[in-house]
Amino acid sequence: AQSVTQLDSQVPVFEEAPVELRCNYSSSVSVYLFWYVQYPNQGLQLLLKYLSGSTLVKGINGFEAEFNKSQTSFHLRKPSVHISDTAEYFCAVTPTSGTYKYIFGTGTRLKVLA
Amino acid sequence: DTGVSQNPRHKITKRGQNVTFRCDPISEHNRLYWYRQTLGQGPEFLTYFQNEAQLEKSRLLSDRFSAERPKGSFSTLEIQRTEQGDSAMYLCASSFLDGQGAAGYTFGSGTRLTVV
Repeated sequence: AQSVTQLDSQVPVFEEAPVELRCNYSSSVSVYLFWYVQYPNQGLQLLLKYLSGSTLVKGINGFEAEFNKSQTSFHLRKPSVHISDTAEYFCAVTPTSGTYKYIFGTGTRLKVLA
Repeated sequence: DTGVSQNPRHKITKRGQNVTFRCDPISEHNRLYWYRQTLGQGPEFLTYFQNEAQLEKSRLLSDRFSAERPKGSFSTLEIQRTEQGDSAMYLCASSFLDGQGAAGYTFGSGTRLTVV
């Protein structure tokens, strides 16, 4: 079985400051990893994904994440946030074979302050 | 490509009534997933289809829930005899199963169900 832990339920940050949203996972098998963003009353939008290869992956809207297998982490970063980045961010994993159903974390609410 | 479409966007129903939600996936996607998201939580897997075959159902999906995907196109999720605990956002997602497996879902905007 897999599990995902997002330790920070809320992260306030000032506009143009850097931000890191943390994600740790547990799995006995190889997994793919994802970050999704959810704006109020919307579905989830894929930010980036790690399937294989380079451990640093770049996504949309200037976000990037680094896969660290030894620490079982996949933290999301952005060097300079905008007010429009205010949203809920979800980390998810799925085994590399089988149903590809996702296990989501509980989410981190990023609030960008002016 | 119009994305994944879900209808209705919002549904308010009285306890005990039946409700049905519809999901239209991206046309070339062969996998379709249903998730449920309650307030302050991440989405939880309910069921998925590959083409028209329903391949897995979560234990969260009680006997009151049924999902179909006739002809491998759109899907419906029906909840019979709704309870207040069914109030949630119901999310549909689709994906194309390629050589790398999960290329990443495309989610719809969801159907928010409120049972009063």
